[in-house]
Amino acid sequence: DAGVIQSPRHEVTEMGQEVTLRCKPISGHDYLFWYRQTMMRGLELLIYFNNNVPIDDSGMPEDRFSAKMPNASFSTLKIQPSEPRDSAVYFCASSLRGRVSEAFFGQGTRLTVV
Amino acid sequence: TQLLEQSPQFLSIQEGENLTVYCNSSSVFSSLQWYRQEPGEGPVLLVTVVTGGEVKKLKRLTFQFGDARKDSSLHITAAQPGDTGLYLCAGRKETSGSRLTFGEGTQLTVNP
Repeated sequence: DAGVIQSPRHEVTEMGQEVTLRCKPISGHDYLFWYRQTMMRGLELLIYFNNNVPIDDSGMPEDRFSAKMPNASFSTLKIQPSEPRDSAVYFCASSLRGRVSEAFFGQGTRLTVV
Repeated sequence: TQLLEQSPQFLSIQEGENLTVYCNSSSVFSSLQWYRQEPGEGPVLLVTVVTGGEVKKLKRLTFQFGDARKDSSLHITAAQPGDTGLYLCAGRKETSGSRLTFGEGTQLTVNP
Protein backbone atom coordinates (compact mmCIF):
# COMPACT_ATOMS: atom_id res chain seq x y z
CA ASP A 1 0.00 0.00 0.00
CA ALA A 2 1.25 3.51 -0.81
CA GLY A 3 0.18 4.91 2.54
CA VAL A 4 -2.04 7.91 3.09
CA ILE A 5 -1.97 10.16 0.06
CA GLN A 6 -2.69 13.87 0.27
CA SER A 7 -2.94 16.44 -2.49
CA PRO A 8 -1.80 18.99 -3.23
CA ARG A 9 1.49 19.10 -1.27
CA HIS A 10 1.56 22.88 -1.46
CA GLU A 11 -1.20 25.39 -2.08
CA VAL A 12 -0.90 29.15 -2.31
CA THR A 13 -4.14 31.05 -2.66
CA GLU A 14 -5.51 34.53 -2.25
CA MET A 15 -7.72 35.51 0.61
CA GLY A 16 -11.36 34.88 -0.17
CA GLN A 17 -10.74 31.98 -2.52
CA GLU A 18 -12.05 28.46 -1.99
CA VAL A 19 -9.49 25.81 -1.11
CA THR A 20 -10.03 22.04 -1.32
CA LEU A 21 -7.61 19.57 0.23
CA ARG A 22 -7.81 15.90 -0.68
CA CYS A 23 -6.96 12.67 1.09
CA LYS A 24 -6.88 8.99 0.18
CA PRO A 25 -6.64 6.83 3.32
CA ILE A 26 -5.04 3.41 3.58
CA SER A 27 -7.36 0.76 2.21
CA GLY A 28 -9.25 -1.07 4.95
CA HIS A 29 -8.83 1.58 7.62
CA ASP A 30 -11.98 2.44 9.56
CA TYR A 31 -11.02 5.91 10.76
CA LEU A 32 -9.92 9.08 9.02
CA PHE A 33 -8.65 12.17 10.82
CA TRP A 34 -7.99 15.71 9.63
CA TYR A 35 -5.42 17.73 11.62
CA ARG A 36 -4.00 21.23 11.31
CA GLN A 37 -0.46 21.99 12.48
CA THR A 38 0.92 25.43 13.31
CA MET A 39 3.83 26.61 15.41
CA MET A 40 1.49 28.37 17.82
CA ARG A 41 -1.09 25.63 18.38
CA GLY A 42 0.67 22.41 17.46
CA LEU A 43 -1.31 19.54 15.92
CA GLU A 44 -5.03 20.20 16.30
CA LEU A 45 -7.71 17.64 15.50
CA LEU A 46 -10.30 19.23 13.22
CA ILE A 47 -12.66 16.32 12.50
CA TYR A 48 -12.67 12.55 12.30
CA PHE A 49 -14.75 9.97 10.49
CA ASN A 50 -15.64 6.37 11.27
CA ASN A 51 -16.73 4.29 8.28
CA ASN A 52 -17.28 7.50 6.25
CA VAL A 53 -19.52 9.07 8.93
CA PRO A 54 -18.35 12.23 10.73
CA ILE A 55 -18.08 11.44 14.43
CA ASP A 56 -16.60 14.56 16.00
CA ASP A 57 -16.25 17.91 14.25
CA SER A 58 -15.83 19.98 17.39
CA GLY A 59 -12.35 21.02 16.30
CA MET A 60 -13.51 22.65 13.07
CA PRO A 61 -12.71 26.34 13.59
CA GLU A 62 -15.82 27.85 12.05
CA ASP A 63 -18.41 27.50 9.35
CA ARG A 64 -15.89 28.32 6.66
CA PHE A 65 -14.49 24.82 7.13
CA SER A 66 -16.27 21.70 5.93
CA ALA A 67 -15.22 18.08 5.44
CA LYS A 68 -16.75 15.20 3.55
CA MET A 69 -16.04 11.54 3.07
CA PRO A 70 -18.21 10.31 0.19
CA ASN A 71 -16.64 6.84 0.21
CA ALA A 72 -14.06 4.78 2.06
CA SER A 73 -11.22 5.84 -0.21
CA PHE A 74 -11.61 9.60 -0.40
CA SER A 75 -12.08 12.63 1.83
CA THR A 76 -11.97 16.38 1.30
CA LEU A 77 -11.45 19.37 3.57
CA LYS A 78 -12.78 22.60 2.13
CA ILE A 79 -12.21 26.16 3.28
CA GLN A 80 -14.51 28.80 1.81
CA PRO A 81 -13.68 31.64 1.94
CA SER A 82 -10.03 31.26 2.95
CA GLU A 83 -8.28 33.75 5.26
CA PRO A 84 -4.57 34.38 5.98
CA ARG A 85 -4.97 32.87 9.48
CA ASP A 86 -5.85 29.56 7.83
CA SER A 87 -2.23 29.23 6.69
CA ALA A 88 -0.90 25.99 8.18
CA VAL A 89 0.06 22.43 7.33
CA TYR A 90 -3.02 20.20 7.08
CA PHE A 91 -2.58 16.50 7.71
CA CYS A 92 -4.83 13.59 6.98
CA ALA A 93 -4.37 10.33 8.92
CA SER A 94 -6.09 6.96 8.93
CA SER A 95 -6.20 4.06 11.35
CA LEU A 96 -7.88 0.80 12.17
CA ARG A 97 -10.31 0.45 15.05
CA GLY A 98 -8.93 0.06 18.57
CA ARG A 99 -7.26 2.01 21.35
CA VAL A 100 -3.77 0.86 20.37
CA SER A 101 -4.18 1.49 16.67
CA GLU A 102 -1.45 3.44 14.94
CA ALA A 103 -2.43 6.59 13.09
CA PHE A 104 -0.76 6.69 9.66
CA PHE A 105 -0.22 10.20 8.38
CA GLY A 106 0.06 11.62 4.91
CA GLN A 107 2.82 14.06 4.04
CA GLY A 108 0.52 17.01 4.58
CA THR A 109 -0.62 19.98 2.54
CA ARG A 110 1.14 23.26 3.24
CA LEU A 111 -1.46 25.98 2.75
CA THR A 112 -0.52 29.62 2.39
CA VAL A 113 -3.28 32.21 2.13
CA VAL A 114 -2.03 35.63 1.04
CA THR B 1 -5.83 24.79 27.25
CA GLN B 2 -4.08 21.74 25.83
CA LEU B 3 -5.37 18.35 26.93
CA LEU B 4 -1.80 17.04 26.81
CA GLU B 5 0.98 19.33 28.00
CA GLN B 6 4.49 18.54 26.83
CA SER B 7 7.71 19.87 28.30
CA PRO B 8 10.08 21.19 27.39
CA GLN B 9 8.89 22.70 24.11
CA PHE B 10 12.45 23.05 22.82
CA LEU B 11 15.58 21.14 23.73
CA SER B 12 19.04 21.55 22.26
CA ILE B 13 21.76 19.23 23.53
CA GLN B 14 25.14 17.81 22.59
CA GLU B 15 25.65 14.36 21.16
CA GLY B 16 26.05 11.79 23.93
CA GLU B 17 23.88 13.56 26.50
CA ASN B 18 20.76 12.07 28.05
CA LEU B 19 17.36 13.76 28.04
CA THR B 20 13.79 13.29 29.20
CA VAL B 21 10.60 14.67 27.65
CA TYR B 22 7.38 14.81 29.64
CA CYS B 23 3.73 14.54 28.64
CA ASN B 24 1.19 15.46 31.33
CA SER B 25 -2.57 15.67 31.63
CA SER B 26 -5.31 15.84 34.23
CA SER B 27 -7.28 13.26 32.23
CA VAL B 28 -7.00 9.48 32.25
CA PHE B 29 -6.09 7.83 28.97
CA SER B 30 -6.86 4.32 27.77
CA SER B 31 -3.70 4.45 25.68
CA LEU B 32 -0.89 6.84 24.99
CA GLN B 33 1.39 6.98 21.99
CA TRP B 34 4.63 8.71 21.11
CA TYR B 35 5.28 9.88 17.55
CA ARG B 36 8.31 11.43 15.89
CA GLN B 37 8.02 13.94 13.07
CA GLU B 38 10.72 15.10 10.68
CA PRO B 39 10.54 18.26 8.54
CA GLY B 40 8.18 17.95 5.58
CA GLU B 41 6.73 14.66 6.79
CA GLY B 42 3.83 13.46 8.90
CA PRO B 43 4.34 12.01 12.39
CA VAL B 44 5.42 8.37 12.63
CA LEU B 45 4.55 6.10 15.55
CA LEU B 46 7.35 5.10 17.94
CA VAL B 47 5.46 3.27 20.68
CA THR B 48 2.07 2.65 22.33
CA VAL B 49 1.58 2.17 26.08
CA VAL B 50 -1.68 1.03 27.62
CA THR B 51 -1.07 -0.19 31.19
CA GLY B 52 -0.38 2.10 34.15
CA GLY B 53 3.29 1.86 35.10
CA GLU B 54 4.21 0.23 31.81
CA VAL B 55 7.77 0.71 30.57
CA LYS B 56 8.82 0.04 26.97
CA LYS B 57 12.26 0.26 25.47
CA LEU B 58 13.17 0.91 21.87
CA LYS B 59 16.97 0.80 21.58
CA ARG B 60 18.14 3.98 23.38
CA LEU B 61 14.59 5.24 23.94
CA THR B 62 12.66 4.36 27.12
CA PHE B 63 8.96 5.16 27.40
CA GLN B 64 6.98 5.09 30.62
CA PHE B 65 3.25 5.39 31.28
CA GLY B 66 2.29 6.85 34.64
CA ASP B 67 0.62 4.62 37.23
CA ALA B 68 -2.59 6.63 36.98
CA ARG B 69 -2.43 6.69 33.15
CA LYS B 70 -2.41 10.51 33.14
CA ASP B 71 1.18 11.12 32.14
CA SER B 72 4.11 9.68 30.25
CA SER B 73 7.80 10.27 29.71
CA LEU B 74 10.31 9.60 26.98
CA HIS B 75 13.96 9.19 27.97
CA ILE B 76 16.75 9.10 25.40
CA THR B 77 20.15 7.80 26.41
CA ALA B 78 23.31 8.98 24.64
CA ALA B 79 21.47 11.12 22.13
CA GLN B 80 22.70 11.17 18.54
CA PRO B 81 22.19 13.75 15.76
CA GLY B 82 19.82 11.28 14.10
CA ASP B 83 17.45 11.67 17.06
CA THR B 84 16.77 15.26 16.03
CA GLY B 85 13.07 15.83 15.38
CA LEU B 86 9.70 16.81 16.82
CA TYR B 87 8.46 14.34 19.46
CA LEU B 88 4.72 14.25 20.00
CA CYS B 89 2.66 12.42 22.59
CA ALA B 90 -0.91 11.49 21.71
CA GLY B 91 -3.70 9.94 23.75
CA ARG B 92 -7.08 8.28 23.53
CA LYS B 93 -9.43 8.85 26.46
CA GLU B 94 -11.79 6.18 27.75
CA THR B 95 -14.76 8.46 27.08
CA SER B 96 -13.70 9.73 23.67
CA GLY B 97 -13.60 6.58 21.61
CA SER B 98 -11.04 6.72 18.86
CA ARG B 99 -10.45 10.48 19.08
CA LEU B 100 -6.64 10.89 19.08
CA THR B 101 -5.41 14.11 20.68
CA PHE B 102 -1.84 15.33 20.40
CA GLY B 103 0.37 17.37 22.66
CA GLU B 104 2.15 20.46 21.33
CA GLY B 105 5.38 18.57 20.80
CA THR B 106 9.01 18.84 21.90
CA GLN B 107 11.49 19.99 19.27
CA LEU B 108 14.76 18.17 19.94
CA THR B 109 18.04 19.19 18.36
CA VAL B 110 21.12 17.04 18.96
CA ASN B 111 24.32 18.79 17.97
CA PRO B 112 27.36 16.78 16.84
